[in-house]
Amino acid sequence: NAGVTQTPKFQVLKTGQSMTLQCAQDMNHEYMSWYRQDPGMGLRLIHYSVGAGITDQGEVPNGYNVSRSTTEDFPLRLLSAAPSQTSVYFCASSYSPTNTEAFFGQGTRLTVV
Amino acid sequence: EDQVTQSPEALRLQEGESSSLNCSYTVSGLRGLFWYRQDPGKGPEFLFTLYSAGEEKEKERLKATLTKKESFLHITAPKPEDSATYLCAVQASPPLVFGKGTRLSVIA
Repeated sequence: NAGVTQTPKFQVLKTGQSMTLQCAQDMNHEYMSWYRQDPGMGLRLIHYSVGAGITDQGEVPNGYNVSRSTTEDFPLRLLSAAPSQTSVYFCASSYSPTNTEAFFGQGTRLTVV
Repeated sequence: EDQVTQSPEALRLQEGESSSLNCSYTVSGLRGLFWYRQDPGKGPEFLFTLYSAGEEKEKERLKATLTKKESFLHITAPKPEDSATYLCAVQASPPLVFGKGTRLSVIA
């Protein structure tokens, strides 16, 4: 099993560009989420999904869109990149929304110049 | 609002020097408290889940305990390979809420 796979691992964008961070899991997990990790801020939740077709906002959703058309995939879209979105992004999945461990991907390091 | 505070921010230990990391939390209706380990450039890796006060779990040199207000991660006789950032997270409703982590360095 591959677990949670994120692509790309590194990306540099210019201000105003858009892009999609990919996340795929092969564990048939219903619950998936996106976090960003910044120095001194810890992991902050961007968006999450409790199943295909269902998404909700987390703590820091502005500037990001998500959709969940399949159980396996949960892409994160940056609509118009800003320097404040420079961060490391992690996708996570778990079997159910509560009481179960989350599996994390290896992260995408994004720099917006 | 659910909150998690971890202390200390950073901890430097000599190999074999036991210590504890603290995670204090405020949450309505705790469903679980989670400990993760994160190595540089990697995603967090699950260590433990604790559900109720008084519960303890162990794995090699690590032992996690839980009270109604806080959790401790005890590290007994640490080795350099235990160096990492340790993250605590709580869950009431579905999203996990993370603390900022404790960066542990174990020096040989």
